[in-house]
Amino acid sequence: QKEVEQDPGPLSVPEGAIVSLNCTYSNSAFQYFMWYRQYSRKGPELLMYTYSSGNKEDGRFTAQVDKSSKYISLFIRDSQPSDSATYLCAMRGLYSGGGADGLTFGKGTHLIIQP
Amino acid sequence: NAGVTQTPKFQVLKTGQSMTLQCAQDMNHNSMYWYRQDPGMGLRLIYYSASEGTTDKGEVPNGYNVSRLNKREFSLRLESAAPSQTSVYFCASHLGGRAEAFFGQGTRLTVV
Repeated sequence: QKEVEQDPGPLSVPEGAIVSLNCTYSNSAFQYFMWYRQYSRKGPELLMYTYSSGNKEDGRFTAQVDKSSKYISLFIRDSQPSDSATYLCAMRGLYSGGGADGLTFGKGTHLIIQP
Repeated sequence: NAGVTQTPKFQVLKTGQSMTLQCAQDMNHNSMYWYRQDPGMGLRLIYYSASEGTTDKGEVPNGYNVSRLNKREFSLRLESAAPSQTSVYFCASHLGGRAEAFFGQGTRLTVV
């Protein structure tokens, strides 16, 4: 079982729809959870960043973390064609001061918003 | 503010050739990373550097070497390129600990 599972899609929805993107994970040590957006032929850019469980809202985007279920979600309201991209979830544990400190990524979900 | 800058953006190599991918960040971050991204495989960590003067292997280090030249710069070297190293390479940095990572725009490498 991979540490982080993410449906690769593609997920195609009409403009204006609410989009739900999800990741599940197996490592209970993960404490920090991020969503990155990656446009074609570009580098990933940070979209949302949350610590531990709970919700975080930023404009049309809401990130949810449920550590008891090891499940995180990203909701996009009023989706726009410009939201079409690949969305990557990423996670890391607490900084250990010496151990591997890289992010663990999901493989990304390719999202298409149809005009 | 440039953030994370990678050079070159594109490169074509012949099998057996060597090259160095350059990465520089201007955010005073401690930690820097090299990832490769392949279709269906997601982002995989090649090497990372938690601080100036230290480097460690990630998930897929074979065929690569790295140098943390100073706090700003972290280079990735392919000594003898192979077609299996055809990929998009991303450099990233973060402050260390709890901060999010920032990525460069990538180097698209083709080995023929």
